Amino acid sequence: ETGVTQTPRHLVMGMTNKKSLKCEQHLGHNAMYWYKQSAKKPLELMFVYNFKEQTENNSVPSRFSPECPNSSHLFLHLHTLQPEDSALYLCASSQVGQGNTEAFFGQGTRLTVV
Amino acid sequence: GDSVTQMEGPVTLSEEAFLTINCTYTATGYPSLFWYVQYPGEGLQLLLKATKADDKGSNKGFEATYRKETTSFHLEKGSVQVSDSAVYFCALITRGNNDMRFGAGTRLTVKP
Repeated sequence: ETGVTQTPRHLVMGMTNKKSLKCEQHLGHNAMYWYKQSAKKPLELMFVYNFKEQTENNSVPSRFSPECPNSSHLFLHLHTLQPEDSALYLCASSQVGQGNTEAFFGQGTRLTVV
Repeated sequence: GDSVTQMEGPVTLSEEAFLTINCTYTATGYPSLFWYVQYPGEGLQLLLKATKADDKGSNKGFEATYRKETTSFHLEKGSVQVSDSAVYFCALITRGNNDMRFGAGTRLTVKP
């Protein structure tokens, strides 16, 4: 299995739908992240979870709701999204507290809001 | 706050040309520095890293040297291939902080 797995790979949803993105890491890391990657924009950090506790929320609209039930799983619940939310959503994990370890990324979920 | 600035693209080269993508950083502590690569339709993959000054990271013919005096971590490759076409991201993370900061990315296209 790959280190960080995201499902689904592609998602098309209407503005009134509710959907969830899933991320699972098999690396034994203690921190997980959601990033948003839009065309022609820098990578945006959305949420950070350390030891299952949310430690950062970068002014993300409430229509994005993260959930981290354990250190291996991370979800991003989506509801009443807007077309401008269409982007590639990347999940990552890292080990915090043992030096400056790099983040390992999943392949992303390509989200299209119609 | 900590930040990374990398050269804007896109960069277009012919096969076997020399590549340099510039990256400079601003950090209050002593960061570790990274280069990530993103191929079309994929997530980011770690390409190389350096954790202290004067370290050289290298992988797949790419290399970058951590220069504290110039706060730089430029990516170089002596002879690029078509398969190197991708977006390259410079990034940093400081000790005790798990907020990795990324540059805006540089798109590289290598033509045969």
